[in-house]
Amino acid sequence: EIVLTQSPGTLSLSPGERATLSCRASQSVSSSYLAWYQQKPGQAPRLLIYDASSRATGIPDRFSGGGSGTDFTLTISRLEPEDFAVYYCQQYGSSPWTFGQGTKVEIK
Amino acid sequence: EVQLVQSGAEVKKPGESLKISCKGTGYSFSSYWIAWVRQMPGKGLEWMGIIYPGDSDTTYSPSFQGQVTISADKSITTASLQWSSLKASDTAMYYCARKTGYSSRWFFDYWGQGTLVTVSS
Repeated sequence: EIVLTQSPGTLSLSPGERATLSCRASQSVSSSYLAWYQQKPGQAPRLLIYDASSRATGIPDRFSGGGSGTDFTLTISRLEPEDFAVYYCQQYGSSPWTFGQGTKVEIK
Repeated sequence: EVQLVQSGAEVKKPGESLKISCKGTGYSFSSYWIAWVRQMPGKGLEWMGIIYPGDSDTTYSPSFQGQVTISADKSITTASLQWSSLKASDTAMYYCARKTGYSSRWFFDYWGQGTLVTVSS
């Protein structure tokens, strides 16, 4: 089973700042099959990024993903008030598909 | 519009059985895999298993194999998750989610609103 470790656990930033979130896999994720989700309190997760760098339908271009192998990043270029949330990565390169433990982006 | 609508919150006692549901509308329900994902209080997401409603082909995460049963009834476009004997540790929010239509990609593009299951004596 691939274990995903996200860092940092919490990121404290101000609106307008850049956020960089990390997701590290315990072994290489084949074909860069990695997704990112956003979850706000009391809501279901929402798909942001798939295949490491492809934005899902309707996702603003301030969200971007990158990386390959074992190291992946989610970047939010300029934080908007609605971006403060918890973010999860998920690998689907090998079953069982696994999620990271999440990074909380909070208002500083 | 694609929608996954889950059944309402449940409060149960340890040892009781439970079945929760997820109704898909706005797309061809039989043609897309439906997964179940657990989120324990204040914790992250855990993939439990997945079913293809077209033929009920099902795969479970090793962590959940034998602990739950996933089923689907394509005639009513509904997938279900059931327990035969609940434990306090089953207390969690449970989400259903639709797998993307890309054939070899197992990520989830639509999610239900979640069903909160509370198990307490």
